[in-house]
Amino acid sequence: DAGVTQSPTHLIKTRGQHVTLRCSPISGHKSVSWYQQVLGQGPQFIFQYYEKEERGRGNFPDRFSARQFPNYSSELNVNALLLGDSALYLCASSLYPRDTEAFFGQGTRLTVV
Amino acid sequence: AQKITQTQPGMFVQEKEAVTLDCTYDTSDPSYGLFWYKQPSSGEMIFLIYQGSYDQQNATEGRYSLNFQKARKSANLVISASQLGDSAMYFCAMREIASGAGSYQLTFGKGTKLSVIP
Repeated sequence: DAGVTQSPTHLIKTRGQHVTLRCSPISGHKSVSWYQQVLGQGPQFIFQYYEKEERGRGNFPDRFSARQFPNYSSELNVNALLLGDSALYLCASSLYPRDTEAFFGQGTRLTVV
Repeated sequence: AQKITQTQPGMFVQEKEAVTLDCTYDTSDPSYGLFWYKQPSSGEMIFLIYQGSYDQQNATEGRYSLNFQKARKSANLVISASQLGDSAMYFCAMREIASGAGSYQLTFGKGTKLSVIP
């Protein structure tokens, strides 16, 4: 069975641009969460989606948005990129929001120049 | 105050020896979950083990065990018989209620870098 897949794996953007990151959860998983991991830190929670609805939002500016599609895949969008948005963006999937297992993808490494 | 504290930025262990990675947490929620993840240099977060706050026994998964001491709010990871492939960052995380109804988030510590010496 395929695990959580994220695309692209790496990308470089210029300040002020927009970026879209994609995540496909494990088959059958309905909950998807997004995390930002800055170099040298643990991941920080951005969003959680369950059954195509936003269920939780972390302390991130409105430039960050996301959505979940009927097939439970998800997109994370970031507008007006700042240098500080450079990070590893991780997607996690689980059956339910409150589950005993949460599996992560390999992440998308975003560099803003 | 930090909700997850990992006090060991780096640890060294001899191959085939056991090692304990420390984690303390802070929450007022009686129902919570504790996770350990391994992150190799490739970046992927690999799920290792889970402990629920109401679980009576310490969780075990192969060479991984979680030493759960609820009163002390600690959830240390024990890796037995270390292997070279265990060299990686290790993160302790706690699941807690997020901002929305029915939403939960993982709060991570800063991690411990484990290096296994041949």
